[in-house]
Amino acid sequence: EAGVAQSPRYKIIEKRQSVAFWCNPISGHATLYWYQQILGQGPKLLIQFQNNGVVDDSQLPKDRFSAERLKGVDSTLKIQPAKLEDSAVYLCASSPQGGGGQPQHFGDGTRLSIL
Amino acid sequence: QKEVEQDPGPLSVPEGAIVSLNCTYSNSAFQYFMWYRQYSRKGPELLMYTYSSGNKEDGRFTAQVDKSSKYISLFIRDSQPSDSATYLCAMSVTGNKLVFGAGTILRVKS
Repeated sequence: EAGVAQSPRYKIIEKRQSVAFWCNPISGHATLYWYQQILGQGPKLLIQFQNNGVVDDSQLPKDRFSAERLKGVDSTLKIQPAKLEDSAVYLCASSPQGGGGQPQHFGDGTRLSIL
Repeated sequence: QKEVEQDPGPLSVPEGAIVSLNCTYSNSAFQYFMWYRQYSRKGPELLMYTYSSGNKEDGRFTAQVDKSSKYISLFIRDSQPSDSATYLCAMSVTGNKLVFGAGTILRVKS
């Protein structure tokens, strides 16, 4: 079974520029999550999708971050404009249906550096 | 106060030692408890998944949950250099939104 795929692996941009990340979940997984992991910290949930609908985006900085999951499969996360504090690894995870008894499986992330 | 507290280490042990990793938490509503292993420049890999209190064993790994004390543990027996990684505890009320600890860096020396 192929795992969660993310691209690009690394991205370097200047502050105030925009950037987008892409995620392809495990085949058949209805639930998709985006997490932000700042160096030295554990991942923090940004947004959760169930199929193509948003379940939880309470911790997403909506003035600069946006995410979509068209057709309930792939997802993109965008930052516009980027700030220095957005330097982090952005992890995508998926699970079959979400909720209890449904472990989340993570991709290897996109490492974002803001200059 | 953070919802989940985890000693960042690093924890350095000789090969073959028993390793004990721990997390404490403040939210009594947490029901799902997980341990993830994260190698450098890789994503978290699920090691153990438990619901409510009790013990769970899988090979060299044992997870314990004590909800009365709001304390969870991961034990690694016969530790190997390949176990060197960051270990993240994670918890959830519903099984959806995971709240992670900061991670403990483990180094197993041969």
